[in-house]
Amino acid sequence: DAKTTQPPSMDCAEGRAANLPCNHSTISGNEYVYWYRQIHSQGPQYIIHGLKNNETNEMASLIITEDRKSSTLILPHATLRDTAVYYCIVRPVFNDYKLSFGAGTTVTVRA
Amino acid sequence: EPEVTQTPSHQVTQMGQEVILRCVPISNHLYFYWYRQILGQKVEFLVSFYNNEISEKSEIFDDQFSVERPDGSNFTLKIRSTKLEDSAMYFCASRRLPRQGDIQYFGAGTRLSVL
Repeated sequence: DAKTTQPPSMDCAEGRAANLPCNHSTISGNEYVYWYRQIHSQGPQYIIHGLKNNETNEMASLIITEDRKSSTLILPHATLRDTAVYYCIVRPVFNDYKLSFGAGTTVTVRA
Repeated sequence: EPEVTQTPSHQVTQMGQEVILRCVPISNHLYFYWYRQILGQKVEFLVSFYNNEISEKSEIFDDQFSVERPDGSNFTLKIRSTKLEDSAMYFCASRRLPRQGDIQYFGAGTRLSVL
């Protein structure tokens, strides 16, 4: 599976947009980009995923560059409850199995 | 919203004892997973299970570990003889179909403490 690189930590002001970058320069054409988050020691929570096109749901937006070598997760209006570790994961389309978690980005939303 | 349910939330056991961690996946899901997370470390894949057999397992998943789907709803992880280093959060996950881009949903986890 392709490796991902994320900044170890970032701060965000409450009510502002949080932009979380992820580098996946070795991604191949059949690999999806997934984002999960983990609040404290709770189970990872699915946020969003995409293959080529930008995606939006009720939680976030995912912007994937045209060359697919990087992406940005956008939390449009961060709240204190969005404080968590955010994981960017690349997974092959035809791999039905495991998710490989890295260290992620620890996002702290400050009032 | 359907969710993956894990019991117990916290299990304390003595070293060398057997433990069984239980999971109830989302009802129409077909793929099941166990992951673990040692305190302060990454979430690690243990095993995946489909059609009543293991699909893939990691190096961590040695002979001390086993999984079972004893009935139509439960999915269990058994550790035969626990070690101190088995202390961790254990997460169960499930997904619906082997369809491209499908989503794994995780339970809240079981904290296993081996004394």
